Amino acid sequence: DIQLTQSPSFLSASVGDRVTITCRASQGISSYLAWYQQKPGKAPKLLIYATSTLQSGVPSRFSGSGSGTEFTLTISSLQPEDFATYYCQQLNSYPRTFGQGTKLEIK
Amino acid sequence: EVQLVESGGGLVQPGGSLRLSCAASGFTFSTYSMNWVRQAPGKGLEWVSSISSTSSIIHYAVSVKGRFTISRDNAQNSLYLQMNSLRDEDTAVYYCARAVNWSYDFWGQGTLVTVSS
Repeated sequence: DIQLTQSPSFLSASVGDRVTITCRASQGISSYLAWYQQKPGKAPKLLIYATSTLQSGVPSRFSGSGSGTEFTLTISSLQPEDFATYYCQQLNSYPRTFGQGTKLEIK
Repeated sequence: EVQLVESGGGLVQPGGSLRLSCAASGFTFSTYSMNWVRQAPGKGLEWVSSISSTSSIIHYAVSVKGRFTISRDNAQNSLYLQMNSLRDEDTAVYYCARAVNWSYDFWGQGTLVTVSS
């Protein structure tokens, strides 16, 4: 099984900050990586698919990059509504796996 | 508008069974692979099972294989998860999600399954 490790697990930041979350895969997954945002009590929301393609309707301050085993999600200028938990997911092979999550909190 | 609405969750004793449903609308259900993902209280996301558009390809997580069965009825635009031999560790919110472009682009609101005596 492919393990995904996100870092950091917790991140404290301020409105306007630029933040980066890393997702490392235990083996190569090509570009089959997606990022989701989840707020308390809500379903996850797709942000980025295929490593770097922004889902329709997602603000351009979100971006993704990487390949192989290392991937990043960057938020260029944090907005109040961005404070949430973020998950990466690999869709290269079964079982599909998620990272453990990164909780982004207001400093 | 794409909508996925789960139902069927509830309280069940260990060893019991439950059948979850996911009603889809707003898209051509029969052309999409579908998935179940769960989230234990206070924990992260865990993929449970996937089914292709024609039901010809099915995958399960090791943790549920042999106990859970995914199925779909394209005529009824519905996805199902039959859960047998339930354990305490199956307690979670269960989401159905649509697969497209190597991602899960739409998710339902979830249904809570609680396994407890």
